[in-house]
Order: sequence, then structure tokens, then C-alpha cells
Amino acid sequence: ETGVTQTPRHLVMGMTNKKSLKCEQHLGHNAMYWYKQSAKKPLELMFVYNFKEQTENNSVPSRFSPECPNSSHLFLHLHTLQPEDSALYLCASSQDQGRGPTDTQYFGPGTRLTVL
Amino acid sequence: SQQGEEDPQALSIQEGENATMNCSYKTSINNLQWYRQNSGRGLVHLILIRSNEREKHSGRLRVTLDTSKKSSSLLITASRAADTASYFCATDGGSNYKLTFGKGTLLTVNP
Repeated sequence: ETGVTQTPRHLVMGMTNKKSLKCEQHLGHNAMYWYKQSAKKPLELMFVYNFKEQTENNSVPSRFSPECPNSSHLFLHLHTLQPEDSALYLCASSQDQGRGPTDTQYFGPGTRLTVL
Repeated sequence: SQQGEEDPQALSIQEGENATMNCSYKTSINNLQWYRQNSGRGLVHLILIRSNEREKHSGRLRVTLDTSKKSSSLLITASRAADTASYFCATDGGSNYKLTFGKGTLLTVNP
């Protein structure tokens, strides 16, 4: 887990707040991901960045806004969230080899988000 | 649509026993991966098996893959209390950068 760090580890916010989640990877990877993990549901892929370009947006509501300023950092900006957005948000990174099978992903410890 | 589906949803065993978890999937894959997650933490990669492989070992872990049945199994031998965690299979259906995860098996190893 030390290869991918996430801050904060816990976050409580009101529905009108604006906050940001931060992810940093120290593995020299070129792809980064945001996942949402809710109770009793499979891990949901939200966004994918490869070489800082967003390559995937899985129909995520606009109240979630990703930002990838460089290949080591990934942010998830949050605003006007709903209580059902409460979940564990996981960041991951991998070394993409170009077109071909997806390789191992390395996950951060996650941010436990509670929306009141 | 959901790809990997683990079975059972929960498994409770005694320390020293073996634990077997299964994963079924629907479409063809390039590879299948198993991950472990301790409560409220990030996922840790355990093992990756490619579609042309049938069996793979790593320490006390053994993974099998049967592409004709679209299924995989993860065997943990001589389990320890520290193996208590959720275990997920993830399939790569060929799209770039995209792994699809199942809901996981919660394994409890009682000391």
C-alpha cells in the first residue's frame, strides 16, 4: 500500500460542501484509476487516466470531477454530493503496456467518505 | 455488466484448514486476477493468471483457470488468522485499462 497513498483517509462532508480527494503513486506508473466501493456492491470503476489523458468515464455524475495534473497525482473533486455517495473511494495505478491485456493494479488504502 | 462472480459469498474455517473460493465469469478474458482486501483498506494483488495458463502457484496460494467453463478457483492452504479478508476476482475482458471486479468472498479464519 505504500506505493500508492491517498489523503484524507476519512472525510465527512455536508451536501453543500466542496472537497477534494488526493492520490499519489510512487511506482512510476503511467495509468491511474478512481474506484467507488459501496457495501454489498462490486467495485465500480469511475475514471481512468493514461499518460494524463482521461480515457474512461463510466457515466459518473458531474458532481464528481477528476483531475490528473501529472502521471503521479490524481484528484477527485467533490461538490454537492448526495448521501448515497457515501462509500470507500479507492485510487489505483498500473503500468500500461499499450494496447493489450490489463496488468496488475496497485491500490491505495482508500478514503472513507461520509456525506451527511 | 458484472463479469466476475465469487462463490461462496462468505466462508468461515479453522486455522490450518484449506480455503477454496471460486469465480465465474461470462465473456472471454485475457487474464484473471485475484485480490485481497482487509476490512476498510485497499486491495492487494495476489496473483494473475493468463488465459493460456491453467494453474499457477504463489506460496500458499494456488489458482486454477478453466476457460471452457469460464471459471477460476483460489485455494489457500494451511490458512492462518491473518488470511481473514475479502477476496475478489477481477477479469480483463480485453478493453484497455479496465478490470471488472466481483462482489468478493469474505473469508474468516478462526484461531
